Amino acid sequence: AQSVTQLDSQVPVFEEAPVELRCNYSSSVSVYLFWYVQYPNQGLQLLLKYLSGSTLVKGINGFEAEFNKSQTSFHLRKPSVHISDTAEYFCAVSASSSNTGKLIFGQGTTLQVKP
Amino acid sequence: KAGVTQTPRYLIKTRGQQVTLSCSPISGHRSVSWYQQTPGQGLQFLFEYFSETQRNKGNFPGRFSGRQFSNSRSEMNVSTLELGDSALYLCASSLEGLHEQYFGPGTRLTVT
Repeated sequence: AQSVTQLDSQVPVFEEAPVELRCNYSSSVSVYLFWYVQYPNQGLQLLLKYLSGSTLVKGINGFEAEFNKSQTSFHLRKPSVHISDTAEYFCAVSASSSNTGKLIFGQGTTLQVKP
Repeated sequence: KAGVTQTPRYLIKTRGQQVTLSCSPISGHRSVSWYQQTPGQGLQFLFEYFSETQRNKGNFPGRFSGRQFSNSRSEMNVSTLELGDSALYLCASSLEGLHEQYFGPGTRLTVT
């Protein structure tokens, strides 16, 4: 079984500052990793994914994440945030050997960007 | 391509009633998964359908059920509604063999 822990429930940051949202996972098998963003009253939008290959993955809206297998982490980063990045962010995993569409999500991190 | 669509967007029901939610996946996507999102429990996997067959199921009571049609559209049904069923129900679709899922806007269910 897999589990995901997002280490911060809320992250306040000033506009144009860098930000890191932390995600650790637990799994006995190889996994795929994802970050999703949810704006108020909307569904989830895929930001980026790690399936294989380079451990540094780039996504939309200037976000990137680094897969660290030894630390079982997949932290999300952005060098300079905007007010419009205010949203809830979810880290998710799925077992790479599985052929079923089951994502396990963390509890979410609310990013609050202040002017 | 059009994204995942869900209907209705908002729903208010009374305890004991039943409800049916609908999801139309992205064209060409044959896998549809359903999730429940609540403030207390977060995002939890309900079930997944592929080629009209339930392929995986989460840890929810039998009151929660679903089905998928030959055009890949999916419905989920909740019978004998309880107050605790109030949630945002999200549907996601994906291409066979790919784990990345694309979500719809959700159906906000309120049970009174």
